[in-house]
Amino acid sequence: KAGVTQTPRYLIKTRGQQVTLSCSPISGHRSVSWYQQTPGQGLQFLFEYFSETQRNKGNFPGRFSGRQFSNSRSEMNVSTLELGDSALYLCASSLAPRGASPLHFGNGTRLTVT
Amino acid sequence: TQLLEQSPQFLSIQEGENLTVYCNSSSVFSSLQWYRQEPGEGPVLLVTVVTGGEVKKLKRLTFQFGDARKDSSLHITAAQPGDTGLYLCAAYSGGSNYKLTFGKGTLLTVNP
Repeated sequence: KAGVTQTPRYLIKTRGQQVTLSCSPISGHRSVSWYQQTPGQGLQFLFEYFSETQRNKGNFPGRFSGRQFSNSRSEMNVSTLELGDSALYLCASSLAPRGASPLHFGNGTRLTVT
Repeated sequence: TQLLEQSPQFLSIQEGENLTVYCNSSSVFSSLQWYRQEPGEGPVLLVTVVTGGEVKKLKRLTFQFGDARKDSSLHITAAQPGDTGLYLCAAYSGGSNYKLTFGKGTLLTVNP
């Protein structure tokens, strides 16, 4: 069974640009969560989607948004990039939302903002 | 907002040594999870502890949940280079905005 796939693996953007990251969950998983990982703050929850609906949202500005498609694939978008957005963005999928089943993480997208 | 504090932040030991890392909070949890993250990869769930005082073993790894369900420890016996990685504890917060909160982790290096 294929794991969670995140693309691209690495991304370099300039301040002010926007970026879209993609996540393909494990087949059959309908819940997708996104996390930001930085050395200073660790892993922080961004949002969770289930059945194309955002179920939960973390404490991030509105520049961070996401969506989920009918095939459970998810994308997250960051607009007006800032230097502080440089981080590893991790996606996790699970069978059900809100902790009802274990999370399976992808290997992340490393975003560098210059 | 619940806070999970992990200690130590960094740990470098020789192969064969034993070690314990800790995860503490002032909040009570219904359950707590431990993950290991290797360089260049995402976290992988190792175990979920649910009952106060519970002890779970995974080969050379022993996980314990505190009696009051506010803290947890991970003990590794006879560490091996393959145990190298970032060990993270995590717990779900309740309420309407149910989410998984992580500690900042313990970065373990096991030298051959």
